[in-house]
Amino acid sequence: QSVLTQPPSASGTPGQRVSISCSGSSSNVGSNTVSWYRQLPGAAPKLVIYFNDQRLSGVPDRLSGSRSGTSAFLAISGLQAEDEADYYCAAWDDGLNGVVFGGGTKLTVL
Amino acid sequence: QVHLQESGPGLVQPWETLSLTCTVSSGSVNDRNYHWGWIRQPPGKGLEWIGSAYYIGSTFYNPSLKSRVTISVDKSKNQFSLKLTSMTAADTAVYYCARHIHRMAAAQEWFDPWGQGTLVNVPS
Repeated sequence: QSVLTQPPSASGTPGQRVSISCSGSSSNVGSNTVSWYRQLPGAAPKLVIYFNDQRLSGVPDRLSGSRSGTSAFLAISGLQAEDEADYYCAAWDDGLNGVVFGGGTKLTVL
Repeated sequence: QVHLQESGPGLVQPWETLSLTCTVSSGSVNDRNYHWGWIRQPPGKGLEWIGSAYYIGSTFYNPSLKSRVTISVDKSKNQFSLKLTSMTAADTAVYYCARHIHRMAAAQEWFDPWGQGTLVNVPS
């Protein structure tokens, strides 16, 4: 059971916009910044969004991050086949005094 | 561009100690701007942060693993390492090392870049 809650799956057709949620609490998402990672099959995770909404250099502007209260969101617009991957959110947790990850969301491009 | 590479055994017997090393290239573990962390991923499951270390030797660990974990930094070899004691089948996972940006005062918290990962199997 992960401290941060993500939907296990999400899907969309090419060109659509999808949003992945990351639900936490006042001790993590509500008070600390969120980062997002993309993991392609068989590969290591890669940072795509940091500081809630900052894109890492080279990440297309189709990806955007946001935070509202104790939830964070990763939105992907203009969905492409290459976006098919697992996505994880992460944040510092003040109560646990450590980093917590979401359980991951598998994004399928139909 | 900083590159990280994990190394260590692919098989560890039950109740033995896992020792992994992460070699940093095109960057320095001495860089006071960064911590150095370990994250693991059991087959087919999600990511779990294990712990992180700073070049001066300070460390912080996942509370659920704290009693079994030691992370250290070797400045002379530009490496950092993970030791996890009393391994069981539940510790079977891909182990990743990563550069950890951890600046609480600035609310900066993320991992970038990551190593390619190394699979560690503990037979049941």
